[in-house]
Amino acid sequence: DVKVTQSSRYLVKRTGEKVFLECVQDMDHENMFWYRQDPGLGLRLIYFSYDVKMKEKGDIPEGYSVSREKKERFSLILESASTNQTSMYLCASSLGPGTYLSSYEQYFGPGTRLTVT
Amino acid sequence: SQQGEEDPQALSIQEGENATMNCSYKTSINNLQWYRQNSGRGLVHLILIRSNEREKHSGRLRVTLDTSKKSSSLLITASRAADTASYFCGKGNEKLTFGTGTRLTIIP
Repeated sequence: DVKVTQSSRYLVKRTGEKVFLECVQDMDHENMFWYRQDPGLGLRLIYFSYDVKMKEKGDIPEGYSVSREKKERFSLILESASTNQTSMYLCASSLGPGTYLSSYEQYFGPGTRLTVT
Repeated sequence: SQQGEEDPQALSIQEGENATMNCSYKTSINNLQWYRQNSGRGLVHLILIRSNEREKHSGRLRVTLDTSKKSSSLLITASRAADTASYFCGKGNEKLTFGTGTRLTIIP
């Protein structure tokens, strides 16, 4: 079974702190994704990566950066956390390669609920 | 943008009844996927349907795709309490775009 793990289930940080959210998958998937989920807004794609050291902006990349130094690990970084980044963050992975990442089912982690105060 | 919507936003039915939820989109897509999310957890993949397919089944789940209407539906037959969850469709080409989901409650 594919397993996607996220470093924390719950996280509380202060405004202005640098925050790292870690995601690890154990199935040698090429593609990895970071989403945030907010009531009334659904899931929105922040960044994705289709290979090591490769990254692509999603729909809402502002205020975030990512790092993928190893195939199995994809990190989301909030350079200076703000209260509007309080959200549920979901990591996912999928097989590749291919132009159409929508061709592959995504495996999601359990999520990190981040609160910025 | 592919920000279509799922509808209804919320649905409550008696256990044993069938549940139908719909997903619409705006521009042509190659693939559409349905996912389930239990409260406070990650999403779990249910079915992927490609643009050249019209219907797919998996157990009690049936998904249809009507590309002329730019819509898809998910039917859950003989619902169970364990089906209580939110259901999302992800649609697109290069990447998936998700809507706000349908919150399904099965009443025992």
